[in-house]
Amino acid sequence: GENVEQHPSTLSVQEGDSAVIKCTYSDSASNYFPWYKQELGKGPQLIIDIRSNVGEKKDQRIAVTLNKTAKHFSLHITETQPEDSAVYFCAASIESGGYQKVTFGIGTKLQVIP
Amino acid sequence: DVKVTQSSRYLVKRTGEKVFLECVQDMDHENMFWYRQDPGLGLRLIYFSYDVKMKEKGDIPEGYSVSREKKERFSLILESASTNQTSMYLCASSPPVGVWGYTFGSGTRLTVV
Repeated sequence: GENVEQHPSTLSVQEGDSAVIKCTYSDSASNYFPWYKQELGKGPQLIIDIRSNVGEKKDQRIAVTLNKTAKHFSLHITETQPEDSAVYFCAASIESGGYQKVTFGIGTKLQVIP
Repeated sequence: DVKVTQSSRYLVKRTGEKVFLECVQDMDHENMFWYRQDPGLGLRLIYFSYDVKMKEKGDIPEGYSVSREKKERFSLILESASTNQTSMYLCASSPPVGVWGYTFGSGTRLTVV
């Protein structure tokens, strides 16, 4: 089955700096890659996603890149703010037998230091 | 705003008790999921359902069962709670066709003593 590895497990950055979280996946048939942000005491929330026919997608300070050949994708947060502090999960998704099979990374705890 | 609502935020149960975790979504989604979240292990799929009265095992179904009598409600059942089921439980839903992101509930932190 699919295996998703996520690095780093923890990340501390100064406010205003950039943060990058990287994920790799094993199944070349995976075709959808969402990113979730989980704030303390809340459930994960979808913040950005990318499909396999796209190499990059940007939404304000957040961008995601996908390299299908290397099977890795990354989340980039620019001009970080304290409210960006959270746990971030990547995921790889594949449609199989009419169902969507999603595999999550183990998460990255991002701390933005004011 | 679309919502997935989990009935309890915190729950403390005794070993051997039968435990029900309830999840309701108001988005008319066909797909619903139960995950457990543990430090260092990420999100692991317990059970999912793609239709009313339909259920499929996920990666870690042992010790759990589910019920989906209505489209909007998906219940997770711990038949006989054990201490190793102490965890954060997350319910999610998604649209039926293709691959889409999930909408998660806020989670239920279950402690079994």
